[in-house]
Amino acid sequence: GAVVSQHPSRVICKSGTSVKIECRSLDFQATTMFWYRQFPKQSLMLMATSNEGSKATYEQGVEKDKFLINHASLTLSTLTVTSAHPEDSSFYICSARDGGLNEKLFFGSGTQLSVL
Amino acid sequence: AQSVTQLDSQVPVFEEAPVELRCNYSSSVSVYLFWYVQYPNQGLQLLLKYLSGSTLVKSINGFEAEFNKSQTSFHLRKPSVHISDTAEYFCAVSNFGNEKLTFGTGTRLTIIP
Repeated sequence: GAVVSQHPSRVICKSGTSVKIECRSLDFQATTMFWYRQFPKQSLMLMATSNEGSKATYEQGVEKDKFLINHASLTLSTLTVTSAHPEDSSFYICSARDGGLNEKLFFGSGTQLSVL
Repeated sequence: AQSVTQLDSQVPVFEEAPVELRCNYSSSVSVYLFWYVQYPNQGLQLLLKYLSGSTLVKSINGFEAEFNKSQTSFHLRKPSVHISDTAEYFCAVSNFGNEKLTFGTGTRLTIIP
């Protein structure tokens, strides 16, 4: 089946540094990718939707200058958390859609970000 | 706006016993409903979905869920669980024609040998 590779799986960084998370679709072309964030004991919350070759669409309350999303190819999207702070510590998950419906939505295994 | 509630954060069940994971949703419009499963160290995988038609939907590994519009529920059931069913289960909803998924907080299913 379709696979989405996300890495790193875990990252620990100092406050003020930037962290890049990669999301790759391994055997299909993903015109649309999604980035979610999950805080402990809370739901996965959609942060942004990215379409290949265009600017990402951010959900309300998500700072686009802080969470930079690049979707330069049909198989790769990156999320960069700039100047990370402890409150950005969270579980970040990407997903990629193969086709038009959410039934063909494939998820990465997530990245646990811890900012010290 | 729509929301999904999974009241049980953790459900321990003995092997071969039945299980029900509860999911309730709220939405002002018609919805699609999904259950995703996340096995340890893996990404979320679609377990089953309701788009239209029969309100009872089934997965290939013995799970089933029934869409109940009057109770706005989409509970997940399995008559006899196995150790391999140990995972986190997420209920999700999206509106017709809307690509955005709204997730519940997840239920961790632990199978006791």
